[in-house]
Amino acid sequence: AQSVAQPEDQVNVAEGNPLTVKCTYSVSGNPYLFWYVQYPNRGLQFLLKYITGDNLVKGSYGFEAEFNKSQTSFHLKKPSALVSDSALYFCAVRDGSGYALNFGKGTSLLVTP
Amino acid sequence: SQTIHQWPATLVQPVGSPLSLECTVEGTSNPNLYWYRQAAGRGLQLLFYSVGIGQISSEVPQNLSASRPQDRQFILSSKKLLLSDSGFYLCAWRSSSVALSSEQYFGPGTRLTVT
Repeated sequence: AQSVAQPEDQVNVAEGNPLTVKCTYSVSGNPYLFWYVQYPNRGLQFLLKYITGDNLVKGSYGFEAEFNKSQTSFHLKKPSALVSDSALYFCAVRDGSGYALNFGKGTSLLVTP
Repeated sequence: SQTIHQWPATLVQPVGSPLSLECTVEGTSNPNLYWYRQAAGRGLQLLFYSVGIGQISSEVPQNLSASRPQDRQFILSSKKLLLSDSGFYLCAWRSSSVALSSEQYFGPGTRLTVT
């Protein structure tokens, strides 16, 4: 089964510092991986995806993610965190049928001034 | 550009009452449509998805049902709500005309409280 794991419930970062939100995956075949962000009482917003090609994927709002096949990871990164980045972040993988996404449980990011 | 709407935004219903949540998508044709529920613990649970009019796949057996009466309309229903149906309901769409690698786009959500 296609699945992702987000090992951290919460990540705390000071504003201006780099941030990393971790995601590991388990798939059979080629992984199609996604990151989403959710602000309170809002729907999820798509940030970026990895399909194939470069291991470093750039997305919205200055976020990027690094695909690492040997470590089966797809960590979300940003060089300099903003207070406004505080939100809930979800990693997802395309499921076996190809129609749906399997989401991780989410990681709450708190950026303090 | 494409937009997705959900209504109502919030809903408070007594146990045993019926439910109807609506989702519509604009600016695209024959989208794949999805219903998710997000409980207080924040995980996302896929409830239903649809690849075409009248075609519904149920992921989790429960007190809910879904229908797709029109190409860009997706409805989530219940005949009798349970307390456990409380949560944040999210509708999403994905283009069916591109590869299966395409991402999903989410609506603003409906907050349902069953009392």
